[in-house]
Amino acid sequence: QKEVEQDPGPLSVPEGAIVSLNCTYSNSAFQYFMWYRQYSRKGPELLMYTYSSGNKEDGRFTAQVDKSSKYISLFIRDSQPSDSATYLCAMSAYSSGSARQLTFGSGTQLTVLP
Amino acid sequence: NAGVMQNPRHLVRRRGQEARLRCSPMKGHSHVYWYRQLPEEGLKFMVYLQKENIIDESGMPKERFSAEFPKEGPSILRIQQVVRGDSAAYFCASSPSGETQYFGPGTRLLVL
Repeated sequence: QKEVEQDPGPLSVPEGAIVSLNCTYSNSAFQYFMWYRQYSRKGPELLMYTYSSGNKEDGRFTAQVDKSSKYISLFIRDSQPSDSATYLCAMSAYSSGSARQLTFGSGTQLTVLP
Repeated sequence: NAGVMQNPRHLVRRRGQEARLRCSPMKGHSHVYWYRQLPEEGLKFMVYLQKENIIDESGMPKERFSAEFPKEGPSILRIQQVVRGDSAAYFCASSPSGETQYFGPGTRLLVL
């Protein structure tokens, strides 16, 4: 079983729809949760960063973390064609000092149709 | 402030040759991470370095792969005697403190 599971999609939605992307994980030591966006043949771009459980909102993006269920979500409101990309969840455990390797999901490919 | 820089962006090698991938972190970032993305797979951690020190190499293959981050200059990921299975995108990330990591554009290695 993978440490982080993410539905690969592909997911196709019409412009303006609300998109929900999810990941589950098995390692209870994970405390830091991130969402990255990756356009084709580009590097991952950090979208959201949250620590422990709770919600965080940034513009059209909302990240949710439920540590009791080991489940994280990213919501995109008013989706745009420019949001079409692969979305990667990533997480890390606390470690002494500042070294925190990221464990990634396999990514969900999203297409927003105009 | 320039982002993380990686070069070359594309690298073609024949089996048995050496590949050298370079990464310049963002200004002010002293933490460098290398990840590998195989076709149809997610990003996998390889190694974490600070200046002149390897902090965590738990994701590095035991043979042929090495990494360094010298006092001056970029971080280098070196792959000796490349094989076709090494074909992948290699990403470098840097961080000011280890919490948030910012990725470069990647180097796409193709082994013929």
